[in-house]
Amino acid sequence: GENVEQHPSTLSVQEGDSAVIKCTYSDSASNYFPWYKQELGKRPQLIIDIRSNVGEKKDQRIAVTLNKTAKHFSLHITETQPEDSAVYFCAASRGTGGYNKLIFGAGTRLAVHP
Amino acid sequence: GAVVSQHPSWVICKSGTSVKIECRSLDFQATTMFWYRQFPKQSLMLMATSNEGSKATYEQGVEKDKFLINHASLTLSTLTVTSAHPEDSSFYICSAAGEGVAGADTQYFGPGTRLTVL
Repeated sequence: GENVEQHPSTLSVQEGDSAVIKCTYSDSASNYFPWYKQELGKRPQLIIDIRSNVGEKKDQRIAVTLNKTAKHFSLHITETQPEDSAVYFCAASRGTGGYNKLIFGAGTRLAVHP
Repeated sequence: GAVVSQHPSWVICKSGTSVKIECRSLDFQATTMFWYRQFPKQSLMLMATSNEGSKATYEQGVEKDKFLINHASLTLSTLTVTSAHPEDSSFYICSAAGEGVAGADTQYFGPGTRLTVL
């Protein structure tokens, strides 16, 4: 069935360092890949997404790369700050994403130490 | 834009009672809504997909008679946990997608409802 694997489960970095989170998906029909940030007890917030016709997308300190052949995509956060500390989830979806169910990875707990 | 609300934000109930959770899209028409359940330190698990005016589609392993979903309008979906038991205690989150929203091909999440069953 559909599955998204996410690594690592926890990540600890010093402020200013970069953080990389990787995900692998199983459904070759997936073509929409969002990343969500969730703080404790709060809703997931979309931070960046990428569609299958694009290999890389960047938004300030955040970037996502996609390798459709290998079926994996990654989140890159540069110049990390303490407020980046949260749980990050990757997800994959068929279609354009909004009307199709999202399959979530298990999450990565990122801790940025001052 | 693209604001989704949930009510209540938290609820405590006795075992055996039913609890209704509302999910509303405040500034757009949500043709599709999703219900997720999230246990502590775990990921979001999709329970069901709800399209306005039709029956919900439940994920494998989710009891449709226990988790009743109604999507009667383009701005409101409800999840009723019937005969709740302590193992139903969880964080329930809805998301919505629809027209009239910038980037309509993505989902917007509600703030979640924390259910505790005693």
